[in-house]
Amino acid sequence: AQTVTQSQPEMSVQEAETVTLSCTYDTSENNYYLFWYKQPPSRQMILVIRQEAYKQQNATENRFSVNFQKAAKSFSLKISDSQLGDTAMYFCASGGGADGLTFGKGTHLIIQP
Amino acid sequence: KAGVTQTPRYLIKTRGQQVTLSCSPISGHRSVSWYQQTPGQGLQFLFEYFSETQRNKGNFPGRFSGRQFSNSRSEMNVSTLELGDSALYLCASSGGELRNTGELFFGEGSRLTVL
Repeated sequence: AQTVTQSQPEMSVQEAETVTLSCTYDTSENNYYLFWYKQPPSRQMILVIRQEAYKQQNATENRFSVNFQKAAKSFSLKISDSQLGDTAMYFCASGGGADGLTFGKGTHLIIQP
Repeated sequence: KAGVTQTPRYLIKTRGQQVTLSCSPISGHRSVSWYQQTPGQGLQFLFEYFSETQRNKGNFPGRFSGRQFSNSRSEMNVSTLELGDSALYLCASSGGELRNTGELFFGEGSRLTVL
């Protein structure tokens, strides 16, 4: 079984600032994947970034990067130079086992102009 | 390349009725999974189909069922609807089985309201 915990229900930052979203997880799988998905208002969910647990190097996608601490079971998302279009629900997820993807409850990120 | 298409986008039903939702995955994708999204419970995994076979199932009652056709299109059915079934039902497709790739491409969802 897998659990994913996002402890920040909502965050608000100014445009161009850097923001970090927290996520902790627990899994019994040896080979697993971690994800951050973004769900903009009334729009479909899209993948932001993906991390294979066996890779030590933190994944990076343009302004988005993760801090993967395997021993601590922590997987935070850093958004640099935040933009208005980054306003969305962000879901951390764990996968690779028989239970599909397990999602956290989400963090509502608001970018203020 | 067309994305994941879900129909209908919105529907209203009454308690006791049944509903069928449809999902067409991205062309070439063989895995389709379904999720229920509610404000209280968040996103919960319903089931996954791969090559017409149910591979995984979440912790939902037997009223929730699904199937996948040879063209990878999938349907889910909820019978004897309850008020608590009101939710956004998301379908996602993947190029491989979830346990192998995990990267999902989501549709826009079907919003079900049960009165």
